[in-house]
Amino acid sequence: QVQLVQSGAEVKKPGSSVKVSCKASGGTFSNHVISWVRQAPGQGLEWMGRIIPSLGIPKYAQSFQDRVTITADTSTSTAYMELRSLTSEDTAVYYCAKGGQYCTSTSCYLIETEFWGQGTLVTVSS
Amino acid sequence: DIQMTQSPSSLSASVGDRVTITCRASQGISDYLAWFQQKPGKAPKSLIYDASSLHSGVPSRFSGSRSGTDFILTISSLQPEDFATYYCQQYNSYPFTFGPGTKVDLK
Repeated sequence: QVQLVQSGAEVKKPGSSVKVSCKASGGTFSNHVISWVRQAPGQGLEWMGRIIPSLGIPKYAQSFQDRVTITADTSTSTAYMELRSLTSEDTAVYYCAKGGQYCTSTSCYLIETEFWGQGTLVTVSS
Repeated sequence: DIQMTQSPSSLSASVGDRVTITCRASQGISDYLAWFQQKPGKAPKSLIYDASSLHSGVPSRFSGSRSGTDFILTISSLQPEDFATYYCQQYNSYPFTFGPGTKVDLK
């Protein structure tokens, strides 16, 4: 049974950085997609970026391009999302999500998103 | 960026009702569309991927389909635990954008 356990809530000052972790257990880590999604209070879901740990090449939403770094450590099955230059508008719940795969008789295909972490509340306040 | 729209933005329904939610992409996304359910204060739950494939463990009353450029989530017989907000997401082109959500509440 796949579980994604995220690090705890954070309170940060404007201009600082935050690094959220996401530890996976119970399934394949290296070859599946890890995504990061955030949700501001009362708002919808916003995709931030993704990585396939074995490839190590992240892809980011342009709106976060210069401020976010997504990494993954295959030795510990843990993914990280660091967001810099925080403002009050970055106050949100940050989720990691892991993909999966399905196989036919001839091939296997990646599923982009299947499992979700519990979320990490990041509050940015002076 | 691909813009995702959802209709309606909210709906009121009764237990046992058939519910349909529509998601439309601003450009072609093939079948690279997922549906998620989210309850207040909880993480989203994955329901459907590739427009119509049900994730393991998701009740069969949920189904996804495509009609031209419209993607449809259908709940065949609404259950009490289905009252939630539903989001679609395209993963055809970066950034992988979400729709604004459809809130389903009790009539």
